[in-house]
Amino acid sequence: DAGVTQSPTHLIKTRGQQVTLRCSPKSGHDTVSWYQQALGQGPQFIFQYYEEEERQRGNFPDRFSGHQFPNYSSELNVNALLLGDSALYLCASSWDRVTDTQYFGPGTRLTVL
Amino acid sequence: QKEVEQNSGPLSVPEGAIASLNCTYSDRGSQSFFWYRQYSGKSPELIMSIYSNGDKEDGRFTAQLNKASQYVSLLIRDSQPSDSATYLCAVSNAGGTSYGKLTFGQGTILTVHP
Repeated sequence: DAGVTQSPTHLIKTRGQQVTLRCSPKSGHDTVSWYQQALGQGPQFIFQYYEEEERQRGNFPDRFSGHQFPNYSSELNVNALLLGDSALYLCASSWDRVTDTQYFGPGTRLTVL
Repeated sequence: QKEVEQNSGPLSVPEGAIASLNCTYSDRGSQSFFWYRQYSGKSPELIMSIYSNGDKEDGRFTAQLNKASQYVSLLIRDSQPSDSATYLCAVSNAGGTSYGKLTFGQGTILTVHP
């Protein structure tokens, strides 16, 4: 049983560019959440998708947007990249809204130069 | 006040000792509590979850929850060098049909030395 997968593993972009990160949830999971983890910090919640709709959003600007597809996979898009967007971007999937148990993918390391 | 706070680290314990990690949270509506382990350069790995007051044991790990005190802890017995990692406390306010999000503490770095 495949776990949560993310692509790409690493990415280098320059300021002002746009980036798209991808995530496939664990088999049987229908909810995808995205987190940003800066070096030395805990992950920060960006947003959550369920039934192809954004259900919750954290304190992130509109430059961060997402999408969920009918097969439950998801994309995170970031426009007009800033140096401060350099971080590990984590995707987590879940199915149980009672316990909200979330399992993380390996992450995408984004470096903005 | 931060929403989720963990005891400041780093924490260093000798091999075979008990490591104690603590976490407090501010949202009394929180329903689910998790401990994740994160090795350097890797993503968080779920090691314990707890939903009701009391203790929950899984192998060498014991999670403790006290909702009245808004306190969660993780005990690691017989600590091994392979337990050296950053431990993240996470709290969710999900329940029933509501959509939850995980709020994390800043993490505690644990080093187990031989």
